[in-house]
Amino acid sequence: EDKVVQSPLSLVVHEGDTVTLNCSYEVTNFRSLLWYKQEKKAPTFLFMLTSSGIEKKSGRLSSILDKKELFSILNITATQTGDSAIYLCAGFNAGNNRKLIWGLGTSLAVNP
Amino acid sequence: EPEVTQTPSHQVTQMGQEVILRCVPISNHLYFYWYRQILGQKVEFLVSFYNNEISEKSEIFDDQFSVERPDGSNFTLKIRSTKLEDSAMYFCASTERGVSGEQYFGPGTRLTVT
Repeated sequence: EDKVVQSPLSLVVHEGDTVTLNCSYEVTNFRSLLWYKQEKKAPTFLFMLTSSGIEKKSGRLSSILDKKELFSILNITATQTGDSAIYLCAGFNAGNNRKLIWGLGTSLAVNP
Repeated sequence: EPEVTQTPSHQVTQMGQEVILRCVPISNHLYFYWYRQILGQKVEFLVSFYNNEISEKSEIFDDQFSVERPDGSNFTLKIRSTKLEDSAMYFCASTERGVSGEQYFGPGTRLTVT
């Protein structure tokens, strides 16, 4: 059965800290791994990773995928209170019925 | 920038009533999805839809649920006889064929069943 496991489940940091969020996956017909940020409502897309070892970067956020060890990390440097959210990781099963396999998410709280 | 839209944003209904949640996917997308998220829990896959038929559905998507694409733009989720445990945020998502996994989500409909 496909699964995606995220850790930690919850994290509280102070502004300016750097955080690393982990995501491990077991997904058949794996094609890509996606990171989303969920604040109050719908998840918003952050990154899609398809190749091992190539870092994707957007401002203070960066992410990398290891397809050999089946995990990904999301780094946030110099955290701000606006980074407080649930960060969701999802593995994409690109079989006949394309679907995302979601993790439980990491709840990040950034305190001033 | 094109986006997925959903209506209504919040719906309150009594147990046993039928509800229809509406979504307008991005116009050139071909795969459509419904997810739900019960408060405090993870996003759960309900159903995927392609070429005017269901591609896959989860165990949550029982006979109470149905989906339809009544015209070229709308994608609807119907719950025939709502139960208290159907209270959740319902998200619609769409993806363009050939784009591997990049699903775009609508803002969600909060369904409250009393």
